[in-house]
Amino acid sequence: QVQLVESGGGVVQPGRSLRLSCAASGFSFSNYGMHWVRQAPGKGLEWVALISYDGDNKYYVDSVKGRFTISRDNSKNTLFLQMTSLRAEDTAFYYCAKEPIAGDEVWAFDIWGQGTMVMVSS
Amino acid sequence: DIQMTQSPSSLSASVGDRVTITCRASQSINSYLIWYQQKPGKAPKLLISAASSLQSGVPSRFSAYGSGTDFTLTISSLQPEDFATYYCQQNYSPPPSFGGGTKVEIK
Repeated sequence: QVQLVESGGGVVQPGRSLRLSCAASGFSFSNYGMHWVRQAPGKGLEWVALISYDGDNKYYVDSVKGRFTISRDNSKNTLFLQMTSLRAEDTAFYYCAKEPIAGDEVWAFDIWGQGTMVMVSS
Repeated sequence: DIQMTQSPSSLSASVGDRVTITCRASQSINSYLIWYQQKPGKAPKLLISAASSLQSGVPSRFSAYGSGTDFTLTISSLQPEDFATYYCQQNYSPPPSFGGGTKVEIK
């Protein structure tokens, strides 16, 4: 079945870096745009980044521009989020999520992973 | 950026009750409105897209309406498995934005 599995979360000091991964299975990963969405503990949902199916187009929420980089390896069905200069306010569960339509970006999320927790603390 | 406002932020209801959640956009988003359900410790689940189209497998007790700036999600007869937090999200114009959520609790 369609599945997304995130990994790479953990506790990190402010200013340090972390790389999240999302392993996809059960669908043609290379045909779909992919997102990262985060949720601070006890809070609501915040979209973080989108990468197009072919990796050519990338978009970010303003608060992470210049610090986070979304990428993908279609040969390995894996999505990444490289996070640098981490701040306390980046503390959240990070979910990878799939676009519902192949080859297009409609800014919706039809399949979500289980999430990986990132805590930024000294 | 488009702001999404949900109300109420929480509600208490009993099994069998009819429940309505509202979502308002800061500008017109036509019908580019999505509803998600999130249970504690779980990822969100897509329930409804295009303001009123139920995803496959979503029970018919869920319905949603609206266009422009005002939207509603209704659960006609609340079931035990419906106790969760519900979020609306606009996909009219990037960046996509979510409402603050409505937590449906057991009375």
